[in-house]
Amino acid sequence: ILNVEQSPQSLHVQEGDSTNFTCSFPSSNFYALHWYRWETAKSPEALFVMTLNGDEKKKGRISATLNTKEGYSYLYIKGSQPEDSATYLCALDTGRRALTFGSGTRLQVQP
Amino acid sequence: DVKVTQSSRYLVKRTGEKVFLECVQDMDHENMFWYRQDPGLGLRLIYFSYDVKMKEKGDIPEGYSVSREKKERFSLILESASTNQTSMYLCASRKGPNTGELFFGEGSRLTVL
Repeated sequence: ILNVEQSPQSLHVQEGDSTNFTCSFPSSNFYALHWYRWETAKSPEALFVMTLNGDEKKKGRISATLNTKEGYSYLYIKGSQPEDSATYLCALDTGRRALTFGSGTRLQVQP
Repeated sequence: DVKVTQSSRYLVKRTGEKVFLECVQDMDHENMFWYRQDPGLGLRLIYFSYDVKMKEKGDIPEGYSVSREKKERFSLILESASTNQTSMYLCASRKGPNTGELFFGEGSRLTVL
């Protein structure tokens, strides 16, 4: 079983704070790295799918970077808002059909 | 709008009952997956299917079976439910292997008493 690790496990920030989370994975088993956002009572939704070393993707105030050689990805949220409160999941795609997920980072943004 | 629909959002069953969790997708996707989510453990893969009537075990298949008789439908079966199968179950699909993001259903929260 592959080990995909996320840190921190949970995070409480104030509205307007910027924050970041880490996802680490075994670099030798890499095909793609996914980030998902899972809001309470909703379906997880994809934020980014990243495949290239050094890749950087952005969607509004959220961005992600990828380092495949050292096996990590960072997710950044600039100026957190209460609607950013969710669990953020990363998942490793090794090209063998199924993704392996980390345990997630639960973000709470206080107004 | 693409959609993955899970038949039940909340279920309460008794130990030993047979439980069916149904998942339907309308995107003509080849690959379908069943995960369970438990606090602190993230999503763990139970089974997946890459074609009709094809299935592969994931990381935690014990106590579960699956059925894929039609491309759009993937069922998870608990032959004899046990209390340690109390969990949130998520179904997902994607077009094919190595083809981008997963699309998820809203989840089925199962409680086994």
